[in-house]
Parts: sequence; C-alpha cells; structure tokens
Amino acid sequence: DIQMTQSPSSLSASVGDRVAITCRASQSISSYLNWYQQKPGKAPNLLIYAASSLQSGVPSRFSGSGSGTDFTLTISSLQPEDFATYYCQQSYSTPNTFGQGTKLEIK
Amino acid sequence: EVQLVESGGGLVQPGGSLRLSCAASGFTFSSYSMNWVRQAPGKGLEWLSYISSSSSIIHQADSVKGRFTISRDNAKNSLYLQMNSLRAEDTAVYYCARDRPRVARGTFDIWGQGTMVTVSS
Repeated sequence: DIQMTQSPSSLSASVGDRVAITCRASQSISSYLNWYQQKPGKAPNLLIYAASSLQSGVPSRFSGSGSGTDFTLTISSLQPEDFATYYCQQSYSTPNTFGQGTKLEIK
Repeated sequence: EVQLVESGGGLVQPGGSLRLSCAASGFTFSSYSMNWVRQAPGKGLEWLSYISSSSSIIHQADSVKGRFTISRDNAKNSLYLQMNSLRAEDTAVYYCARDRPRVARGTFDIWGQGTMVTVSS
C-alpha cells in the first residue's frame, strides 16, 4: 500500500495568512493526488484533484502543486471558514490511501 | 440537487451484521462508480470499497475483505454495504462517495452526510 504523510499535523494561523500543507507519498504517484477539506461533524469536501486542478465551486485562494512524491496545498489568504482539517489522498492505486490530516486552527 | 443519503447505521454487538444503504438523487446514478469510506471517532479517513457503474469491477480494502460486501441497484439508485462479523474497530462514521467523472478512479467529488456504526456489547 502507498503511505501518505502530511506535515504539519496541526497548524495555527491568522485570517489573511498564506499557509502551505505538504503531503509526501511513499512512492511516485505521478499527479494522482487529491485534497479534501473537512469541518467538524461534516463530510469531506473535494478541493483539488489531479494535484493542481481546482474543483468546481472551490475558491481560487486554494491551489495545489507537485508531482511524483511531494505535493503542496496552499491557501493564499486564510478566511474564517477555512479553519478545518485537510486531507491528501492518492488515486494512483487501490487502496486509495489518505494522509493522517492537518488541523488548521485559528491563532 | 446532487445528493447522497446514507442510512442503516446503529448499535450492533461484536460478531453481528448490518446493512448500510446510500440513496442517490440529482444525477444519473447508473453512470457513476461509487465507494464507501469510513472514519473512526477522532481519526482519519479510510477507503473501504469501490464498485463500478455496472457492478463488473469491485475493489476492497484488506481490512474488510471477506467481511464486507459492496453492491448496488441502479434501478433503485442505491448503493449498499453488507457488513458481517463486525468488530469493535469497525466503529466509525461510514460515508458513501461518488467517483468524479473524467479523472482517475478514486477521486471522490460527492459525499453523503455519513451514518454512524457502533460495534459494542
């Protein structure tokens, strides 16, 4: 199975900050990398697919980059509604494994 | 509105069985592959099972292979997860999720609200 490792596990930031979350795969997954946002008590929401494609309806302050084994989710200017947990996930092979999550908290 | 609604969760004893359902609406269910994903309390996400639009291809995680069975009824716009030999570690919120079209299998663009399964005596 492909292991996905996110860093950091938690992050404190302020409204307006630019933040980056990284995700590393245990082997090359080309660009088969997705990012999800999850708020407490809610289902995950797809933000970025294929490493850098913005899902319809997702604000443009979210962006993704990377290929191979190293990937980054960047939020250009944090908004109050962005404080949540973020997961990366590989769609390269079954089982489609997720990272352990990064909890983004208000500083 | 595109929507997935899970049902069938609840409290079950270890070794017991439960069948989860996922009702789809607002899209042509028979054209989409579907998945089940779970999340244990306070933990991360775990993909469990995939079924193609025609049910011809099924994939499962090793953690549930031989115990859980995914199926679908396109005439009823419904996805199912039959769970047998349940264990305490199966306690989780179970989500059904749609595969996003036109990208690699395993990209989940629509999720249900989840149904809680608790395995305890």
